[in-house]
Amino acid sequence: DQQVKQNSPSLSVQEGRISILNCDYTNSMFDYFLWYKKYPAEGPTFLISISSIKDKNEDGRFTVFLNKSAKHLSLHIVPSQPGDSAVYFCAASEGAAGNMLTFGGGTRLMVKP
Amino acid sequence: EAQVTQNPRYLITVTGKKLTVTCSQNMNHEYMSWYRQDPGLGLRQIYYSMNVEVTDKGDVPEGYKVSRKEKRNFPLILESPSPNQTSLYFCASSFVGMWTGELFFGEGSRLTVL
Repeated sequence: DQQVKQNSPSLSVQEGRISILNCDYTNSMFDYFLWYKKYPAEGPTFLISISSIKDKNEDGRFTVFLNKSAKHLSLHIVPSQPGDSAVYFCAASEGAAGNMLTFGGGTRLMVKP
Repeated sequence: EAQVTQNPRYLITVTGKKLTVTCSQNMNHEYMSWYRQDPGLGLRQIYYSMNVEVTDKGDVPEGYKVSRKEKRNFPLILESPSPNQTSLYFCASSFVGMWTGELFFGEGSRLTVL
């Protein structure tokens, strides 16, 4: 059973609008959460992370929100740009160790000009 | 340039023919790992290594072997490939201490087993 789920396989938004990508997890031991972005024919690249001691982390146009009681996190992109079109993977970790990362299935974001 | 290099990028092979996908990183990272990406399943860890001569199974190790004889290299070996190993494979690396969550990924190796 997948411990990290991204229930929307795809999302389409208009340029300039907000993109909201969602992620749910089941393992209450996860305490560190990350988003990776992947363009076609490239490897995933780290985007933003959040520790379980916080409920929000911002980096420019990207903000990640964490709701521990609901075991839910979301990535907000404001404003969305065509260059944001990619597959976004949510990941969660038990502690700060690369071998403990569990990834979600990914959401393909398409930002239309 | 800091990078993780995988080879080959694309490979079509037949059932049972042994193959090796190489992975090399130039960032002096202790940690290296292999993932496979399949539609709807995201990235699943195959094997990982915390340092030279130390390897451990990930979530889906069956049918794969790895070795870590040198810090920079972490090859993935398919001794007898089967069609269910058709997938997109990624190698990744990172430092072990003060880990921020950032894994550095290679560009991927698309493998088709007929």
